[in-house]
Amino acid sequence: GAGVSQSPSNKVTEKGKDVELRCDPISGHTALYWYRQRLGQGLEFLIYFQGNSAPDKSGLPSDRFSAERTGESVSTLTIQRTQQEDSAVYLCASSLSVVRKETQYFGPGTRLLVL
Amino acid sequence: GESVGLHLPTLSVQEGDNSIINCAYSNSASDYFIWYKQESGKGPQFIIDIRSNMDKRQGQRVTVLLNKTVKHLSLQIAATQPGDSAVYFCAENRMDSSYKLIFGSGTRLLVRP
Repeated sequence: GAGVSQSPSNKVTEKGKDVELRCDPISGHTALYWYRQRLGQGLEFLIYFQGNSAPDKSGLPSDRFSAERTGESVSTLTIQRTQQEDSAVYLCASSLSVVRKETQYFGPGTRLLVL
Repeated sequence: GESVGLHLPTLSVQEGDNSIINCAYSNSASDYFIWYKQESGKGPQFIIDIRSNMDKRQGQRVTVLLNKTVKHLSLQIAATQPGDSAVYFCAENRMDSSYKLIFGSGTRLLVRP
């Protein structure tokens, strides 16, 4: 079946603008995760959803970052008033569930460049 | 702080040789470990995982070894191929947070033809 998809694949924006990044998880996966990957670095956990709820938002870097999920499917990560340090690849992953530590499958990422 | 890290940032091997990528973790509460492969411009791809009640697990051309005594994890790739060239990440999952993967900074594997 189809894997995790993300859009847009690339986004260039000006400092101070808002951006929305979209993630479509694998069908039937109840858990969804957002990570950030700066150039040449590992992945940094941002937030996860179990269903439509986000029990742990502690990984979000600042209050400019928010995320939501609807219909236990699509999720949107929003960054308000973007800063240059927000430039990174934003990766989404999904898994069957959270409780049983199911494998997380990643999408291709959205490459965000803030000028 | 606690982290998952790697010993070698870049590993260059001859095609056909075996590759060993190492990873150290610092939290003894971690009970699940995963290796991911990331090719340029793509998201991480699951390779193999291992739970803390095991010392070794084998897949197709890959083997993961876990040494809990010294908190060390390794990924062995047999008969390395050009298609294995990528960045490899180890990640740990802790007992108290089943959802959160803590990633190392990655090792780049270069396969020489």
